[in-house]
Amino acid sequence: DQQVKQNSPSLSVQEGRISILNCDYTNSMFDYFLWYKKYPAEGPTFLISISSIKDKNEDGRFTVFLNKSAKHLSLHIVPSQPGDSAVYFCAATYNQFYFGTGTSLTVIP
Amino acid sequence: ETGVTQSPTHLIKTRGQQVTLRCSSQSGHNTVSWYQQALGQGPQFIFQYYREEENGRGNFPPRFSGLQFPNYSSELNVNALELDDSALYLCASTTGTSLNEQFFGPGTRLTVL
Repeated sequence: DQQVKQNSPSLSVQEGRISILNCDYTNSMFDYFLWYKKYPAEGPTFLISISSIKDKNEDGRFTVFLNKSAKHLSLHIVPSQPGDSAVYFCAATYNQFYFGTGTSLTVIP
Repeated sequence: ETGVTQSPTHLIKTRGQQVTLRCSSQSGHNTVSWYQQALGQGPQFIFQYYREEENGRGNFPPRFSGLQFPNYSSELNVNALELDDSALYLCASTTGTSLNEQFFGPGTRLTVL
């Protein structure tokens, strides 16, 4: 049972434009949400997080939005850069981590 | 400050064999979690160790077992390997039992033939 879902396996965006990565979840008990970025042959690296009591968290070019009523999470990257090309995982926590299946982002120069 | 390291990088085993994977946590971290990432999937939580005690377990059978040592390094042991155990195994470390930011190692790629 996949409690955290990323329905878009891949996304391509032009450099300088906005990248929007989406994530849906089913468990209303999740208390923390995170985004991780993963390059090939490396482990996931933490990007940004948001508590379930907030609806937005911003860190530089990265903003995470949480819509609890829709059980939906999104990561906005603006402006997108070629170095942002990677696989992005959303994750949620309730006693343990639950990861989505990932979205491969390609930023085209 | 050293990051999370894992060994070996790659491993090939045959069905029925046993395997031990190793993880050294980031300096100052006393909690280690292990994850299995099958091809095309996200990481799946196996278990977590905090101060040498198992502190949570995902939906994995008992043939997946672990240890954490006094220096907070950790091992993942898998007995009676099955073909479906082929995956990338990731360990992640953090401080305390926080479920927030974890630092991941590069993983061990296990292939079961």
